Amino acid sequence: GNSVTQMEGPVTLSEEAFLTINCTYTATGYPSLFWYVQYPGEGLQLLLKATKADDKGSNKGFEATYRKETTSFHLEKGSVQVSDSAVYFCALRGSGGSQGNLIFGKGTKLSVKP
Amino acid sequence: GAVVSQHPSRVICKSGTSVKIECRSLDFQATTMFWYRQFPKKSLMLMATSNEGSKATYEQGVEKDKFLINHASLTLSTLTVTSAHPEDSSFYICSASEGFGNTIYFGEGSWLTVV
Repeated sequence: GNSVTQMEGPVTLSEEAFLTINCTYTATGYPSLFWYVQYPGEGLQLLLKATKADDKGSNKGFEATYRKETTSFHLEKGSVQVSDSAVYFCALRGSGGSQGNLIFGKGTKLSVKP
Repeated sequence: GAVVSQHPSRVICKSGTSVKIECRSLDFQATTMFWYRQFPKKSLMLMATSNEGSKATYEQGVEKDKFLINHASLTLSTLTVTSAHPEDSSFYICSASEGFGNTIYFGEGSWLTVV
């Protein structure tokens, strides 16, 4: 079945450091891929998405490219800020089957120190 | 933009009682809503798919008699935790979209504490 694997945290970085959070997936067909962010005490927010191979999703300085050849969707940001401290979830939505449910990775907690 | 509202955001209930959590799509019609549970230090797990006007579809291992889901209208789905126990304490979050392929929006989530 479909699954998502993302790097375990926590990840601790200094402000302005480069961020990479790895995410790989297993899926049949052509899934859509997402990164969601959960700030402390809040629900989930969509950060970015990509719906087909080689698409690049971007938002708030974060980027992720849908790599079908490596089944990956790694999240990157060139210079993190303290306000980026949150839990990041990689997720996929299959191309068939039930309408719209997401399969999530376990989440990666990011802490950015000033 | 589209918003999904979830209420209450935090609730404390006594063991053995029931508690209801509401999920509303505020400016779009959601034929399908999803309920997730987030365990500490673990990922979100899909509990059930809520379809307007029909019975919910539960994931394997989720007790349908304990977690009652009702999708009474195109903008409202409710999750009722019946006979709550401390192990039901968790973060419950709903999501909705206008249809397959559309963006999925999440509610703010509800922290349930059973004492």
